[in-house]
Amino acid sequence: NAGVTQTPKFQVLKTGQSMTLQCAQDMNHNSMYWYRQDPGMGLRLIYYSASEGTTDKGEVPNGYNVSRLNKREFSLRLESAAPSQTSVYFCASSRDSRPDTQYFGPGTRLTVL
Amino acid sequence: QKEVEQDPGPLSVPEGAIVSLNCTYSNSAFQYFMWYRQYSRKGPELLMYTYSSGNKEDGRFTAQVDKSSKYISLFIRDSQPSDSATYLCAMSGTSGSARQLTFGSGTQLTVLP
Repeated sequence: NAGVTQTPKFQVLKTGQSMTLQCAQDMNHNSMYWYRQDPGMGLRLIYYSASEGTTDKGEVPNGYNVSRLNKREFSLRLESAAPSQTSVYFCASSRDSRPDTQYFGPGTRLTVL
Repeated sequence: QKEVEQDPGPLSVPEGAIVSLNCTYSNSAFQYFMWYRQYSRKGPELLMYTYSSGNKEDGRFTAQVDKSSKYISLFIRDSQPSDSATYLCAMSGTSGSARQLTFGSGTQLTVLP
């Protein structure tokens, strides 16, 4: 039981390049989330998926797209990376939408030059 | 003004000390209050949660919520070097988009042996 896994762990991009961050959970959770963490800012919600087939914007969705591929997988895509997207990205999942049940992955450290 | 304010520290204490970590908030709709612990270069892990007001105790950890003052606290008794981490408070409402978590910026704690 791996919990929430994220790939890659590290990535360096040049401005304008695109990439997809992958997230998978093996806990049969319904809801999945993407956050970014920046120094002094805490975690901010980018997008979430309350259930398979649905996605909604969070606090900071601009510059990102998401896909809920199936119940297990939730990907985050940067179409044209910008230096402002340099951050640590965390995926999380929860059994339902209750706030107290979110489990986080290990994170992806992204640097955009 | 941020919805959730948290003293970033860093906070350094000797082993065995009592640690007090605090957050203030402005949104009176918040009903769920969580504390997450994040070790360096790891994802956050849920430490404690409280629904509405009151205290909750789990081993060496005690969470307190004072909704009248919009103030929450986490106390760590008999602190250990293994408690060295960043502690994030998080909170949410109970319906719709308000169910999404709003995080504080985190307090970095070091417990010295």
